Amino acid sequence: GAVVSQHPSWVICKSGTSVKIECRSLDFQATTMFWYRQFPKQSLMLMATSNEGSKATYEQGVEKDKFLINHASLTLSTLTVTSAHPEDSSFYICSARNRDLNQPQHFGDGTRLSIL
Amino acid sequence: DAKTTQPNSMESNEEEPVHLPCNHSTISGTDYIHWYRQLPSQGPEYVIHGLTSNVNNRMASLAIAEDRKSSTLILHRATLRDAAVYYCILRDVFQAGTALIFGKGTTLSVSS
Repeated sequence: GAVVSQHPSWVICKSGTSVKIECRSLDFQATTMFWYRQFPKQSLMLMATSNEGSKATYEQGVEKDKFLINHASLTLSTLTVTSAHPEDSSFYICSARNRDLNQPQHFGDGTRLSIL
Repeated sequence: DAKTTQPNSMESNEEEPVHLPCNHSTISGTDYIHWYRQLPSQGPEYVIHGLTSNVNNRMASLAIAEDRKSSTLILHRATLRDAAVYYCILRDVFQAGTALIFGKGTTLSVSS
């Protein structure tokens, strides 16, 4: 079945560092990609939606200058957390779908980000 | 998307069937019922979806009430690997290109 690969799966870095997370669709063209964030014991919260070749649409309350999203190709989207601080520590999950709206939305395995 | 209501948690024993309920009393005629699950420390995984008729696949069965105001996800024989958070999500067919919005889901525990 369709696979979404997310990398890295786990990262620890110092406060003030920028961190890039990659999301790849391995066997389908991801016309739309989504980024979610999940805090412990909570559900997934949608951060932004990006369509290939277009600027991402951010949900209310998500700082677009802090969470930079690039979706330059049909198989790759990146999320960069700029100048990360401890409150940005979370589980970040990407998701992708193709143009066939009968197909389910596929998810990566997530990136656990810890900012010291 | 219309709201769903699920129990916070359920328990099951291995090898027994599990029935996970979902109430969606405000469902519209164009809302599909989707089920996803999230295993610990992983991203969500598609389980099944349907509109009006019951659906079966290799993972589970979806039973939809005649009035569509509720549905039940059925795991025929629970295994330890089925311990996860199960999310019931409604999505309008005309919003199919938008992101899934997750509620709190049901945390299923499976005992050996």
